[in-house]
Amino acid sequence: ELKVEQNPLFLSMQEGKNYTIYCNYSTTSDRLYWYRQDPGKSLESLFVLLSNGAVKQEGRLMASLDTKARLSTLHITAAVHDLSATYFCAPVGGSNYKLTFGKGTLLTVNP
Amino acid sequence: KAGVTQTPRYLIKTRGQQVTLSCSPISGHRSVSWYQQTPGQGLQFLFEYFSETQRNKGNFPGRFSGRQFSNSRSEMNVSTLELGDSALYLCASSFYGASSYEQYFGPGTRLTVT
Repeated sequence: ELKVEQNPLFLSMQEGKNYTIYCNYSTTSDRLYWYRQDPGKSLESLFVLLSNGAVKQEGRLMASLDTKARLSTLHITAAVHDLSATYFCAPVGGSNYKLTFGKGTLLTVNP
Repeated sequence: KAGVTQTPRYLIKTRGQQVTLSCSPISGHRSVSWYQQTPGQGLQFLFEYFSETQRNKGNFPGRFSGRQFSNSRSEMNVSTLELGDSALYLCASSFYGASSYEQYFGPGTRLTVT
């Protein structure tokens, strides 16, 4: 059974700083998703990473995937308050289409 | 292009009742997945339907069931509601073409069981 560990679970940072969220998973996965969730809202798709070494960037967020290490990272550059949200990683294991979510990282960016 | 729609958005039910939630995927998407989100258990996979067939199922009791219609719309049903079923229920719509693996989530149905 695929298990997902995200850390940190809580992250409070100042505007302008950089930080990285880590997502480790336990078994082989052929793709991995990152989502953002604002309080009381649904999940917004950020990235889909499809292969080893994949790197995707959108604005101040950059995601990468290392399938050999079973690790994905979400790097935040020069954080701004609007990035405050909960971020989830979700690898897909085996030949099925089920997303297994981490517990999420609650990011708070303070002015 | 319209997004994923879910109805109703909010629902209050009493223990022992049953409930049916609906999800309409993005036009052209044939896969619909359902997830339950609670503060304690986080986001958990319920089941996935593709072309009217259940393709995957999560570890939920038989009280949770679903189906998909020929137009790809999906419903999930929870019978004999328990307090612990209070949650945000999200459905996700996917195309799964040769180069597309996006899963788009609907706004969710917030179910409260009293």
